[in-house]
Amino acid sequence: KAGVTQTPRYLIKTRGQQVTLSCSPISGHRSVSWYQQTPGQGLQFLFEYFSETQRNKGNFPGRFSGRQFSNSRSEMNVSTLELGDSALYLCASSLHRVETQYFGPGTRLLVL
Amino acid sequence: SQQGEEDPQALSIQEGENATMNCSYKTSINNLQWYRQNSGRGLVHLILIRSNEREKHSGRLRVTLDTSKKSSSLLITASRAADTASYFCATAANYGGATNKLIFGTGTLLAVQP
Repeated sequence: KAGVTQTPRYLIKTRGQQVTLSCSPISGHRSVSWYQQTPGQGLQFLFEYFSETQRNKGNFPGRFSGRQFSNSRSEMNVSTLELGDSALYLCASSLHRVETQYFGPGTRLLVL
Repeated sequence: SQQGEEDPQALSIQEGENATMNCSYKTSINNLQWYRQNSGRGLVHLILIRSNEREKHSGRLRVTLDTSKKSSSLLITASRAADTASYFCATAANYGGATNKLIFGTGTLLAVQP
């Protein structure tokens, strides 16, 4: 089975712009979660989607949003980018909830 | 902060030696997972231990869980240079229902010298 894929792998944006990141889970997996990794804050949970519904949300401002489609693919959007949004954004999928999560390679976002 | 703590922050050993990393967490959990990350890439899942388990093995990995102390340890035996990476513990908290929200520890950077 193919693993979790994320596109794009690298992205450079400027402050004030918005960005959309995409995640395709492992075939058959219904749960998709997103995480942000920075040197200062480490790995932090953004949100979890299951069956197209957001089930959990981390402590991030409303500029961070996401959605899940009927084929379980997920997107996350960050509007009005700030320098502090520069990070590695990781997506993870699992078959059901409360199970092993498998991570994609991440999208590295640089905000200038 | 809800973030777990890992100890040590960094560990340098010789090939063939064993490496032990410890993780402490703060909340009641459904399970605890260990991940490896090479040079800022994606996380590779190593092992999952459920809250009702005390020890689990997978190849050269041994994980223990002590829910009374809210702590876990990861032992890598007979280490190899390829084991050089950052290791993270992550807990799936039990809020009285299912959740896939993982709370990660701060990570241990392991360097295995050939």
